[in-house]
This record gives sequence, C-alpha cells and structure tokens, in this order.
Amino acid sequence: GAVVSQHPSRVICKSGTSVKIECRSLDFQATTMFWYRQFPKQSLMLMATSNEGSKATYEQGVEKDKFLINHASLTLSTLTVTSAHPEDSSFYICSASSWGDTDTQYFGPGTRLTVL
Amino acid sequence: GDSVTQMEGPVTLSEEAFLTINCTYTATGYPSLFWYVQYPGEGLQLLLKATKADDKGSNKGFEATYRKETTSFHLEKGSVQVSDSAVYFCALSDVEGGSYIPTFGRGTSLIVHP
Repeated sequence: GAVVSQHPSRVICKSGTSVKIECRSLDFQATTMFWYRQFPKQSLMLMATSNEGSKATYEQGVEKDKFLINHASLTLSTLTVTSAHPEDSSFYICSASSWGDTDTQYFGPGTRLTVL
Repeated sequence: GDSVTQMEGPVTLSEEAFLTINCTYTATGYPSLFWYVQYPGEGLQLLLKATKADDKGSNKGFEATYRKETTSFHLEKGSVQVSDSAVYFCALSDVEGGSYIPTFGRGTSLIVHP
C-alpha cells in the first residue's frame, strides 16, 4: 500500500517551454502533497506543500509564478515549470501523506527534468 | 525552526560490517522521526519510523531508537550488504499550523564493497 506515482519519469524540453509533472497517490487519498527539488550531492529542498482544493504554500525563495502547483483532487497534484530554463534542470520528487498516517510521507519515484 | 543534522558521507564499508549513521535533531514540538532510503535514480522510500521517546523503529535489519534526552535517532545495522548501498535521509515531521511539516537532513551516502 501507500504507492505514489509520478509522470513522466524523464523529460527533456527546450528553453522557454512549460513542463507539467503529475503526482498521483494510487491506493490512498492524500491529505497533503509535497514537492521537492533534489540537487546534486543529495540535498533535498522542499518547494511547496499543497492540500486538496486550496492554494499551495510555497517555501521561502521558491517562485510561485514559475512553479505552479495544482492539487485538484485527493489523489492528484501537478507541478508546472513555466518558461523553463537550463537552471531549472533537476530531479523533482513529490510525496503524499494519507488521512490515517498524516505524519508519514510516501514518495514518488521522481522526475528528471533537463532543459536544453 | 526545526532542523536535522546527519553525518556527512560517503560512508564506505566492507560487506558484513556494522553500520552507524548518526542523526540529531532540533524541534519546537514533539516530532515523529524517520529514516528514508534512496537507491540510485529512484525516489525516497520509508525505511523506518518512531513516533515517541524510546520507540525503536526497525525494518530490513536496520534499527533506530528515538532518544529524546539526546535528541538523536541514529541508524544502525549489524551486518551490511552490497545491496544496502544507497543514500540515507534522516527526517522529522512536526506539527505546524495544524499540519505535519517535514524537515530532512542532507543525506548520507553509504557504499558497501564486497
């Protein structure tokens, strides 16, 4: 149980285009979903926290207009990187917590974004 | 704010060696504590957790005990295998504004040689 999927697993795009990443909780309803960016040498940066039907809460220093987060249902959250540039290239990971286990996060497999 | 500090890696061991990865935390509340593992090219997987003082989390031969007096949650395994090579993240989850908010350490890379 507690499986989270992400799609796509890898994406390559041209500079200036927008990319959407989906995060789904497959076998549970997610109270909260989180989006992370992982930098080289492991460091995991929390970008934002989202609850179904409400606006995401962004961490300090994360541009809301650049990283659009939509949490339309209890099983789906999307991250859209708008007007992507090479410096946005990174490994993006989502996680979700469930009603019955709110302190624990279950992670998706991650999405490798490369912006040319 | 809350923080998690874990030992820098990489930690390099021979197969069947004893493993300890140190983790200490600071928190304003009474957090739950976690260890997550990340294999190359993958997302993080929950390895074990503990929710209150003196609780011991265990899974796949790994153990960690919630020590409130020393604010620590060190990860141990008696005999590591090559397949344990991965990055290990210590984390806490504390209530903030009515929701659980996570805080992660920077991760410790473990390399196990045959």
